[in-house]
Amino acid sequence: NAGVTQTPKFRVLKTGQSMTLLCAQDMNHEYMYWYRQDPGMGLRLIHYSVGEGTTAKGEVPDGYNVSRLKKQNFLLGLESAAPSQTSVYFCASRRTGTAGELFFGEGSRLTVL
Amino acid sequence: KQEVTQIPAALSVPEGENLVLNCSFTDSAIYNLQWFRQDPGKGLTSLLLIQSSQREQTSGRLNASLDKSSGRSTLYIAASQPGDSATYLCAVIPNAGGTSYGKLTFGQGTILTVHP
Repeated sequence: NAGVTQTPKFRVLKTGQSMTLLCAQDMNHEYMYWYRQDPGMGLRLIHYSVGEGTTAKGEVPDGYNVSRLKKQNFLLGLESAAPSQTSVYFCASRRTGTAGELFFGEGSRLTVL
Repeated sequence: KQEVTQIPAALSVPEGENLVLNCSFTDSAIYNLQWFRQDPGKGLTSLLLIQSSQREQTSGRLNASLDKSSGRSTLYIAASQPGDSATYLCAVIPNAGGTSYGKLTFGQGTILTVHP
């Protein structure tokens, strides 16, 4: 079982370039999330989605856009990358209800020069 | 705003010891609490989830307890092994009247090293 799959796993960008991170889950989960993890800052929520066609801002949304055109996919876009966006990005998903565990992808390491 | 604190930040123990990792949260109105393990360079793996109506969960050598009234959870690891070395994170979903949408708030984690 694939679970949550993120692509690409590594990427180096120059300041001002754009890119898209793809997250795919095969568990038919309603909720999907994008987090970034930075040393000393822990995990911070960027954007999230509660269902196909819906998105919402998290704690640190500036500089990012997201789309969820299909239930199984959640895309994170950087329109004009900045060095402050150098981080490890994690996608996660869960089903609804109090027993819904959060499942994470392996992460995407992004470096912006 | 919900805040989650984990103590200690780092812990080093010899193999075979029983150990306790602590997690505290400021707002007792939570939906559930989840413990994760993260190996270096890897994603987070779910260990245990405790629903708000539960007091504890067990999986193998792991036992997690939840005391909502005091805002505390503990992760107990029995007979620790070098393979248990990792960062352990706890996270809570606040119970915001249906608007939290499963948005977890994470602690900073405890770095555990179990040496042979």
